[in-house]
Formats: sequence, C-alpha cells, structure tokens
Amino acid sequence: DQQVKQNSPSLSVQEGRISILNCDYTNSMFDYFLWYKKYPAEGPTFLISISSIKDKNEDGRFTVFLNKSAKHLSLHIVPSQPGDSAVYFCAASAAGNQFYFGTGTSLTVIP
Amino acid sequence: DAGITQSPRYKITETGRQVTLMCHQTWSHSYMFWYRQDLGHGLRLIYYSAAADITDKGEVPDGYVVSRSKTENFPLTLESATRSQTSVYFCASSGARGLDYEQYFGPGTRLTVT
Repeated sequence: DQQVKQNSPSLSVQEGRISILNCDYTNSMFDYFLWYKKYPAEGPTFLISISSIKDKNEDGRFTVFLNKSAKHLSLHIVPSQPGDSAVYFCAASAAGNQFYFGTGTSLTVIP
Repeated sequence: DAGITQSPRYKITETGRQVTLMCHQTWSHSYMFWYRQDLGHGLRLIYYSAAADITDKGEVPDGYVVSRSKTENFPLTLESATRSQTSVYFCASSGARGLDYEQYFGPGTRLTVT
C-alpha cells in the first residue's frame, strides 16, 4: 500500500504564477521529507527538505510546508518558470529508515 | 567523469536471462541504493548498501541480487529476468551516515524484458 501519495499526476501553470504540488502520507512516524525534481532521461535531483520539527522551509523560489496533523506537505514554486517543467517526487522517511516515494506530479509551466 | 554513472542506459533482454546493471560513483559515498520506477508506484527501494560488503533488502528485493566488493561499485543482478522486472532502474548514493539523507541519483537504466 502506498504510504506516500501524490494524487495529482499532472499540473499546468502559467509562467510567473504559483505552482503548488501536494503530497499526503499515511505513516505518522515519518519525520523527514524531501522533494526531488526529475527531467526526462535523467535521475531525480534533490530540491528541498523539511524535518517534522518545522512547518516551513524556504530555499529561493521553493517553499515546502508541512502540516503534521493532516499528514500533508506541499511544495510552492513562486514564480514558476518554464525550466521548472519536470516531474516532482515527494519522499518521506521515519527515524533513519529508508525513504518512501510518491508517484510523482508532472508540472508544466506554460510560457 | 565525476558523479554517479549507470550502464547500460538501455537494455533489452529475454525472460529467463541473467542481466547485470552497473553503478559507479566517484564520491566515495558510503551508502548506495537501487530503486525501480514504475507507473503508479513511484520509486521503490530494491536493495541498499551501507559500505563495502554490507548490503540489505529494501521494499522490493525479490528476484534481485546485489554485491559491493568496492565502495565505488554497486551492481544489481537479475538472475532470471521476468517481464514484471521491466522498469527504469536508478542507482543512488549518499555520503551521510544513515538512510534518511539526501541521495544523489544516476541517470537510470531502462530495462525491457521480452
């Protein structure tokens, strides 16, 4: 059973607008979360992380929000750029154990 | 080249054949991982290694064998390939001391089993 879920397989956003990618998880023991970005024919690359002691982490145009009570995290990209078009994976781990990945959301930023 | 590389990038094999996917990293990272990516499943961990000669099972290890005689190499072998093993395989490495740290991924190997 999928412990990390990304329920939107795809998302289209206009250039300059905000992109919001969502991720839900079922395991309340998860305490560390990552977002990866993946271009076609390449491996995923690390984007941003957040630990369960925080509810927000920012890095430039990218912000990750964590809502532990709802078991939900989201990635905000502001402003969105065409180069952000990629597949985004969220991943979660519990207490030093392996990461579990979501199924990915394909983001298209329209110029 | 520096980084993490995988070979081959594409492979077609027949059911029942043995096939080995290679992974090489130049960072001297302790941890190395093998994942498979399938539609509807995201990335799933097959095996990982914490150091040379130390390997352990991940979420979906059945049908796969790994070894790690040298820190920089982590080959994945399908001893008798099945159609259900058609997938994109990613190798990753991490210089941290545990499983739950940022990992650096290779470009992937697309394997088709006919």
